[in-house]
Amino acid sequence: EAGVTQFPSHSVIEKGQTVTLRCDPISGHDNLYWYRRVMGKEIKFLLHFVKESKQDESGMPNNRFLAERTGGTYSTLKVQPAELEDSGVYFCASSQVGTVGYSPLHFGNGTRLTVT
Amino acid sequence: RKEVEQDPGPFNVPEGATVAFNCTYSNSASQSFFWYRQDCRKEPKLLMSVYSSGNEDGRFTAQLNRASQYISLLIRDSKLSDSATYLCVVNRDGNKLVFGAGTILRVKS
Repeated sequence: EAGVTQFPSHSVIEKGQTVTLRCDPISGHDNLYWYRRVMGKEIKFLLHFVKESKQDESGMPNNRFLAERTGGTYSTLKVQPAELEDSGVYFCASSQVGTVGYSPLHFGNGTRLTVT
Repeated sequence: RKEVEQDPGPFNVPEGATVAFNCTYSNSASQSFFWYRQDCRKEPKLLMSVYSSGNEDGRFTAQLNRASQYISLLIRDSKLSDSATYLCVVNRDGNKLVFGAGTILRVKS
């Protein structure tokens, strides 16, 4: 079984530019999550999709971030325009069942974003 | 105050040692509890869930004290391959995981 895959693995962009991160969850996993870790901080929740619907987007930092999951398969996270404080590692995770207590999250390798 | 607090370490231990990590959480509404392991520049991976009655998986034992809002992880007979960052994680609202900043373990020969 293929795991959660993320693309690109690294991205270096200048402040003000746009970057789009992609996540392919494990096949059959309806639940897809985005998390991020900024330098020196803990991993923090961004949002949760169930199929193509946003279940919880309370962790999205501001309106420069836009997540989509058209068709309920892969997801994209766009940052526009990027700011220096957006630098960090963006993780995607998926799970089969919606209740995290009963179904483990499988994380992708992450996208390391550097904004200069 | 952070919602999940961990001692950042590092804990430097020799092979074969027993080491214990502690974690406290502030929200009494937290429902599920986990230990994740993260190797350098890798993704977090679930090590084990933590149950109220305590649970064991090989050399790893996890304990939960809901009254004190405290979680622990005990590693016996440490191996070099146990070197990693151990993340204490709780589930509070719905399907949102709240991560601690992690405890660094270095096992040396």
